[in-house]
Amino acid sequence: NAGVMQNPRHLVRRRGQEARLRCSPMKGHSHVYWYRQLPEEGLKFMVYLQKENIIDESGMPKERFSAEFPKEGPSILRIQQVVRGDSAAYFCASSAGAGEQFFGPGTRLTVL
Amino acid sequence: KQEVTQIPAALSVPEGENLVLNCSFTDSAIYNLQWFRQDPGKGLTSLLLIQSSQREQTSGRLNASLDKSSGRSTLYIAASQPGDSATYLCAVRYGGSQGNLIFGKGTKLSVKP
Repeated sequence: NAGVMQNPRHLVRRRGQEARLRCSPMKGHSHVYWYRQLPEEGLKFMVYLQKENIIDESGMPKERFSAEFPKEGPSILRIQQVVRGDSAAYFCASSAGAGEQFFGPGTRLTVL
Repeated sequence: KQEVTQIPAALSVPEGENLVLNCSFTDSAIYNLQWFRQDPGKGLTSLLLIQSSQREQTSGRLNASLDKSSGRSTLYIAASQPGDSATYLCAVRYGGSQGNLIFGKGTKLSVKP
C-alpha cells in the first residue's frame, strides 16, 4: 500500500505564474488535508476536503488559492499569480475518517 | 484561541541519554494528539497517536503520555541514538467538523555520538 504521494516534489515558478500541486491519498482514504510550512515556522492548516466537497477552508488565503478533490484523480492545490511570499513547503495528509493522518513528502515551491 | 506550544525549541544531548519533550495545548477538549518526526527537507513521519480517552501510547523506545486536564503531553525517548536527531512535532486535533491538526513549532533534537 503506497503512502501519500505528492508531485512535483520541487516546483519553481516566476512571480505571476500559476502553481498546481497534486496529492494522491493513501488507498482507502477519502479525507485530504493541505498544510503549509513557511521557512522557520510551524505547519499551518489550509484546507480539509472529502471527495468532491470542501469541508473546512478556514486556513486558506482568501485570494489566489483554491483546492479541489474530484471524484476521480488526485487532490489539487492551485495557486494563481504566485508571489515570493508563497514560497514554502506544502504538505498533504490523508486519513480514513477521524483517525491518524498520514503525510506525504511535500512539495517545495520556490517563487523567483 | 487554540494553540500548541512545545518546549524546549532545541535540545542537544549525548548518545544514550533518556529525554523528555514537552507539548502543551490551550483547549483541553481535544479529539486526539499525534507526535511526528520531521527530518530536514523531508516530510512528516507519524510516531504515536493518542486518543483523548487514552493516557499513553508506546512504540519501541518511544512513550507518549497525555494529561488532558492539564493540557499537556510528553514524548519520552529512551536510550537516545544519533539517528533520533530530527525535529519532533506535536499536533492536536479537535472534534466536530474540525478535521485539521494544530501544530506546535517543534523541538529540534540533536543527539551527539
